[in-house]
Amino acid sequence: NAGVMQNPRHLVRRRGQEARLRCSPMKGHSHVYWYRQLPEEGLKFMVYLQKENIIDESGMPKERFSAEFPKEGPSILRIQQVVRGDSAAYFCASSPAVGSSSYNEQFFGPGTRLTVL
Amino acid sequence: SQKIEQNSEALNIQEGKTATLTCNYTNYSPAYLQWYRQDPGRGPVFLLLIRENEKEKRKERLKVTFDTTLKQSLFHITASQPADSATYLCALDINQAGTALIFGKGTTLSVSS
Repeated sequence: NAGVMQNPRHLVRRRGQEARLRCSPMKGHSHVYWYRQLPEEGLKFMVYLQKENIIDESGMPKERFSAEFPKEGPSILRIQQVVRGDSAAYFCASSPAVGSSSYNEQFFGPGTRLTVL
Repeated sequence: SQKIEQNSEALNIQEGKTATLTCNYTNYSPAYLQWYRQDPGRGPVFLLLIRENEKEKRKERLKVTFDTTLKQSLFHITASQPADSATYLCALDINQAGTALIFGKGTTLSVSS
């Protein structure tokens, strides 16, 4: 059973370009979370999604950031018009549905390291 | 807003000793608290979850305590090994629905042989 997969692992963008980060949850998991980790900072929650629904986006910046988890395919975190301050490691996590014994556990991917030049 | 603090950025101990890491939180009553391990360049890995009605939980050489009065969790690694060297993160649920997590900045443990 493959774990959470993220791609690309490393992404370099110039200021003003768009960044697209992809996350495939573990098989059977229907909940996806995105977190950002800045240098010397802790993991910060960004958004929580279920298939085709955004459940909680309280941690998302109001502008330039968006996320989706379509019925088919991976979850996408999209950052438009990137700035240097967006440089960070972005982690995706997934968890099984409510009712599973491990519902509260989150399984993290390896992260995407975004560098904005 | 919720605040979570891990009191040490770094902890250095000798192999075989017990490592004790502390996590304190304020302005919140979480339904549960979790501990994760993170190695450099990798994503966090789940270790243990303890619920608000549990005082202590064990898993092999790991032990977690949860004091809701003190708003504190202690994480112990007994008979520590150099392979235990990593950053350990404390996390609690943002809301009682048990969805997203708020993380501490972590404590980096170094175990020397």
